[in-house]
Amino acid sequence: QVTLKESGPVLVKPTETLTLTCTVSGFSLSNARMGVSWIRQPPGKALEWLAHIFSNDEKSYSTSLKSRLTISKDTSKSQVVLTMTNMDPVDTATYYCARILADSSGYFLFDYWGQGTLVTVSS
Amino acid sequence: DIQMTQSPSSLSASVGDRVTITCQASQDISNYLNWYQQKPGKAPKLLIYDASNLETGVPSRFSGSGSGTDFTFTISSLQPEDIATYYCQQYTTFGPGTKVDIK
Repeated sequence: QVTLKESGPVLVKPTETLTLTCTVSGFSLSNARMGVSWIRQPPGKALEWLAHIFSNDEKSYSTSLKSRLTISKDTSKSQVVLTMTNMDPVDTATYYCARILADSSGYFLFDYWGQGTLVTVSS
Repeated sequence: DIQMTQSPSSLSASVGDRVTITCQASQDISNYLNWYQQKPGKAPKLLIYDASNLETGVPSRFSGSGSGTDFTFTISSLQPEDIATYYCQQYTTFGPGTKVDIK
């Protein structure tokens, strides 16, 4: 059974760097056509894709946040890590990781999601 | 980047009503459009993929259609457990969501 679980701090101070870890089970990060994405949702607002990484280490970042984000994976630990620098109160959100199924034709969906972790940015 | 719009932003309907949500892409996306349901305090759940394919285990009252730039999501008979916000998604872009309530 596929599961994803986010972990990281619940509170960070402005200007600090946020590090979130997504630990997956039930599939391998080396599976072709599969990736892991980070998606966030500010309270009461819509979903916002942040970044993703695929089995071949292909990475992609949100254009608006690219300068602040780094995504990486440790296949042996079944973990995907997202770092976001220079945190601001507007970054307060629930952060989700989700499994991606995709192929070269354009098929791209998020079929399994973690429960999410609420990160609050405040001094 | 492709932009996704949804309408309405919210709706209120009675149990048993047919509910329709539309999603429009800013350019042709073929049928690469997915729909998610998010209940309060929960993670989104995939309901429909590739515009019209029902994800395994999803009740048949949910359906989707469309291609190109215009897509429709339908609940044929609204149930109390369908209270949620529904999002369309294409690649890394989500629509703004449609909140569905019971009248």
